Amino acid sequence: NAGVTQTPKFQVLKTGQSMTLQCAQDMNHNSMYWYRQDPGMGLRLIYYSASEGTTDKGEVPNGYNVSRLNKREFSLRLESAAPSQTSVYFCASSETGGRSDNEQFFGPGTRLTVL
Amino acid sequence: GNSVTQMEGPVTLSEEAFLTINCTYTATGYPSLFWYVQYPGEGLQLLLKATKADDKGSNKGFEATYRKETTSFHLEKGSVQVSDSAVYFCALRPLQGAQKLVFGQGTRLTINP
Repeated sequence: NAGVTQTPKFQVLKTGQSMTLQCAQDMNHNSMYWYRQDPGMGLRLIYYSASEGTTDKGEVPNGYNVSRLNKREFSLRLESAAPSQTSVYFCASSETGGRSDNEQFFGPGTRLTVL
Repeated sequence: GNSVTQMEGPVTLSEEAFLTINCTYTATGYPSLFWYVQYPGEGLQLLLKATKADDKGSNKGFEATYRKETTSFHLEKGSVQVSDSAVYFCALRPLQGAQKLVFGQGTRLTINP
């Protein structure tokens, strides 16, 4: 199993450009997440999808859109990139159920720089 | 609201030293608590977890005890190795609601031989 995969690994954009970050998981998980990681701030949730066909805003959704294409794939789109979106982006997935301790599995991350 | 506060880093220790990384939280009710580790160039991996008060999570020589009275979940290891050099994140999942994690800011640990 590959687990959670993300593409691309690195990307440089100019202000105003758009791009889509791709994420896929092969663990048959219902829930998927997008986080950004900034120095000194830990990981902050951008959007999440509790199940196929549903998406919800997290802590920092402004400037982003998401698509839960199917159970495996969850993409993050920047429509008009800004320097404040320079960050490392992580996708994660987990089981969904009554238990509150389901582990989240993380991808290797995408390092994005917006000039 | 829910929040997690970790001790400021970076932390630098010599091999075989004792490690403590402090973590305290604010949450309604009884959240689940986690420690994740991020090795250089990689994503986060679950290190250990605890789901109720007085539970002790352990893995790879690391331990953390869920202390409700002090709202803490400090990470400890008796003898660190160079391979433990990484960034450590404390996190909570609220009891109610979706499966979302709230992370602390992370603590960078460097172990010197």
